[in-house]
Amino acid sequence: GAVVSQHPSRVICKSGTSVKIECRSLDFQATTMFWYRQFPKQSLMLMATSNEGSKATYEQGVEKDKFLINHASLTLSTLTVTSAHPEDSSFYICSARRWDTEAFFGQGTRLTVV
Amino acid sequence: GENVEQHPSTLSVQEGDSAVIKCTYSDSASNYFPWYKQELGKGPQLIIDIRSNVGEKKDQRIAVTLNKTAKHFSLHITETQPEDSAVYFCAAQKGGGSNYKLTFGKGTLLTVNP
Repeated sequence: GAVVSQHPSRVICKSGTSVKIECRSLDFQATTMFWYRQFPKQSLMLMATSNEGSKATYEQGVEKDKFLINHASLTLSTLTVTSAHPEDSSFYICSARRWDTEAFFGQGTRLTVV
Repeated sequence: GENVEQHPSTLSVQEGDSAVIKCTYSDSASNYFPWYKQELGKGPQLIIDIRSNVGEKKDQRIAVTLNKTAKHFSLHITETQPEDSAVYFCAAQKGGGSNYKLTFGKGTLLTVNP
């Protein structure tokens, strides 16, 4: 299958700071990337859908000013958690898809806000 | 919107036995049904998928069946091994094109006892 690389795998940041998570499709051009959040022992919750060169579409209840998504190229999307607080601590996962193919997931980023 | 129910939430089997996980979906327009395996601290990995024009698909020890009339699909793992232990998620998607979102079940924690 295709490879989606997510970086960093773990990050600890201080409350009030911002942190950026990168998602790269390594061997294919991703027309669409998705960002999920997963709480312990729970399912994946879709946060937003992004297409290259256009604004992301956020799911209801997700603060777009807090979770900034940029999809600058067909192989890179970034999620920036702004002014992070302890309640933002979670496992964030991206996935990438090329046209109507299956979605491939990154390895996830464990964010801890202290 | 689409709703996906997954059962059981936990499943424990002896090595060599078979494991079956079942999912139901609500939207009859859904036409793509992937299954993901997620190991602790990692992102989901696609293990098998099926589209609505097919009733069954098999890949070595893993098979998926789909009953469109009843709106349910199942994952079958035969000759289970300890390395099959993980959380398994089913998902459903409606329509084609890269923007279409996956709706996930709540997951099944499979434990294979040596």
